[in-house]
Amino acid sequence: SQTIHQWPATLVQPVGSPLSLECTVEGTSNPNLYWYRQAAGRGLQLLFYSVGIGQISSEVPQNLSASRPQDRQFILSSKKLLLSDSGFYLCAWWRGGETQYFGPGTRLLVL
Amino acid sequence: AQTVTQSQPEMSVQEAETVTLSCTYDTSESDYYLFWYKQPPSRQMILVIRQEAYKQQNATENRFSVNFQKAAKSFSLKISDSQLGDAAMYFCAYRRRTSGSRLTFGEGTQLTVNP
Repeated sequence: SQTIHQWPATLVQPVGSPLSLECTVEGTSNPNLYWYRQAAGRGLQLLFYSVGIGQISSEVPQNLSASRPQDRQFILSSKKLLLSDSGFYLCAWWRGGETQYFGPGTRLLVL
Repeated sequence: AQTVTQSQPEMSVQEAETVTLSCTYDTSESDYYLFWYKQPPSRQMILVIRQEAYKQQNATENRFSVNFQKAAKSFSLKISDSQLGDAAMYFCAYRRRTSGSRLTFGEGTQLTVNP
């Protein structure tokens, strides 16, 4: 069966520091991968998606970037965090079928 | 562009009672999927139920059922015999059948279950 991992689970970072969040998927190959952000009490905003290694599409202009160095690895990064980058970050995958499946998420607090 | 609207930011229900969460959407497509996701306090996104637009029969999963009105672009979720564990944020989501699975989410409805 497929499994999706995210780490870290929780992160507290100062403003201006770099960021690297990692997402990996097991049990499937060549999935579509997605990064979402969720502000407190709000819906999910799609940030990036990837249909293959090195292929990244950005949905909204922002302080973040994404990379896909391996088939089942998706990384969300920032060179300098802003206060507004705080939120809950969810990774999801899709490989045919009807819907996406989500990882456990990372809580990011920027102080 | 597709949009999904959940007009009820908060709902509450007594344990063992029935509650209905509303969702409307806007699309020019005729073939698509609709979903309800549950997000408990752990914030894990859990798929509750799915509906294919070309199917007229409403989907049912145990205590969860939907009322899909395609012409009205309405997709409500009914939870019967509500349990304390049903307390969560519920998100309605839309996906075009041919889009490669990009999901569009509503803003969510926070459901409280009172003992």
